[in-house]
Amino acid sequence: IAGITQAPTSQILAAGRRMTLRCTQDMRHNAMYWYRQDLGLGLRLIHYSNTAGTTGKGEVPDGYSVSRANTDDFPLTLASAVPSQTSVYFCASSDSGGPQYFGPGTRLTVL
Amino acid sequence: SQQGEEDPQALSIQEGENATMNCSYKTSINNLQWYRQNSGRGLVHLILIRSNEREKHSGRLRVTLDTSKKSSSLLITASRAADTASYFCATAPNRDDKIIFGKGTRLHILP
Repeated sequence: IAGITQAPTSQILAAGRRMTLRCTQDMRHNAMYWYRQDLGLGLRLIHYSNTAGTTGKGEVPDGYSVSRANTDDFPLTLASAVPSQTSVYFCASSDSGGPQYFGPGTRLTVL
Repeated sequence: SQQGEEDPQALSIQEGENATMNCSYKTSINNLQWYRQNSGRGLVHLILIRSNEREKHSGRLRVTLDTSKKSSSLLITASRAADTASYFCATAPNRDDKIIFGKGTRLHILP
């Protein structure tokens, strides 16, 4: 692994299903983030974690949950997917106050 | 909550010309960052300018920051086809790790 990876690359999901988007970084960054990107709305922060064991809510947290059991992994879970969660999801990591490094994104479609 | 707003929303210029994009923000900041996003890809960090800096250069990129006007500009000199992308400014309101992205400027370099 080099940098930050996300899985899956894309997914089509039936409404009501549970889904976990995976994010892993190997840069030992303390902070990690999940964003969603929708046309015309830019990037919006869903959840973040300043360090392993802590998480916080961003601008649009409803319907999503995260965990940060260790430094490297920051999964995002949709407990019961709805069509409005159709979006492109980006994970990012950073050192405190530094630039963020983004993963390649997960394109999620909820039908 | 929108902090930074880029202007213009879209820009088309001839290859070889300079491209200027602007970002305005609302509250005081610790730093301001510029990112590039190629179509279908994750964001890539370009440059970070701190609140006590007025200008920064990186290759063909020049960023200015005017904290009295709460604005920043990104200048790309001698544009190339590969510069075609969306450019986002992101502001860090304080030393907190969370940054807030604008909606971006779509730059198209014409051959």
